[in-house]
Amino acid sequence: SQQGEEDPQALSIQEGENATMNCSYKTSINNLQWYRQNSGRGLVHLILIRSNEREKHSGRLRVTLDTSKKSSSLLITASRAADTASYFCATVLANSGYALNFGKGTSLLVTP
Amino acid sequence: DAEITQSPRHKITETGRQVTLACHQTWNHNNMFWYRQDLGHGLRLIHYSYGVHDTNKGEVSDGYSVSRSNTEDLPLTLESAASSQTSVYFCASSESRPGATTEAFFGQGTRLTVV
Repeated sequence: SQQGEEDPQALSIQEGENATMNCSYKTSINNLQWYRQNSGRGLVHLILIRSNEREKHSGRLRVTLDTSKKSSSLLITASRAADTASYFCATVLANSGYALNFGKGTSLLVTP
Repeated sequence: DAEITQSPRHKITETGRQVTLACHQTWNHNNMFWYRQDLGHGLRLIHYSYGVHDTNKGEVSDGYSVSRSNTEDLPLTLESAASSQTSVYFCASSESRPGATTEAFFGQGTRLTVV
């Protein structure tokens, strides 16, 4: 069964607005990662947050992690049309090597 | 530049045929993975390898096999293709460092249709 679940499944916003996506997971993790997938393409790594971290920033991306609630959020500030893509959270389970467990993704549409 | 490539990009095959999807990476990564992506399911792990001659089953391994004879390649074989295996397949690789997990690099995907 899949470890992560993103919410919402789909999100539509206008350029300049912020986009927030959430991810919940089930078991203890080593780290949580966010990936982006443009239509018809492979996944691209965006950001990684370790289980002992609470917040991380990278450019217009902000990720939070709450291990007590087993949840994470990805915030994209000042969205652009080029941010239109699907976003996936992926977890690496504690004591489980390097394999990533993906959620079903959030489809983000940013309109001009 | 290092990269990970999949071939073919598109494949149509008949039910019952054996099919092999290729994955080649020049990152010199020890870890390699195969996922399938289907609408409503996201990405699901099929098989993975943490080094030469190491292979492990993932969540949806039935009907698939892999072998790792060198660092660069992890071919995925569908022993007897079924319509349920129509999907988009992604290969990925990552570095292995003790005590840390690094980002995965993905290929562009292979769209497989079983008719």
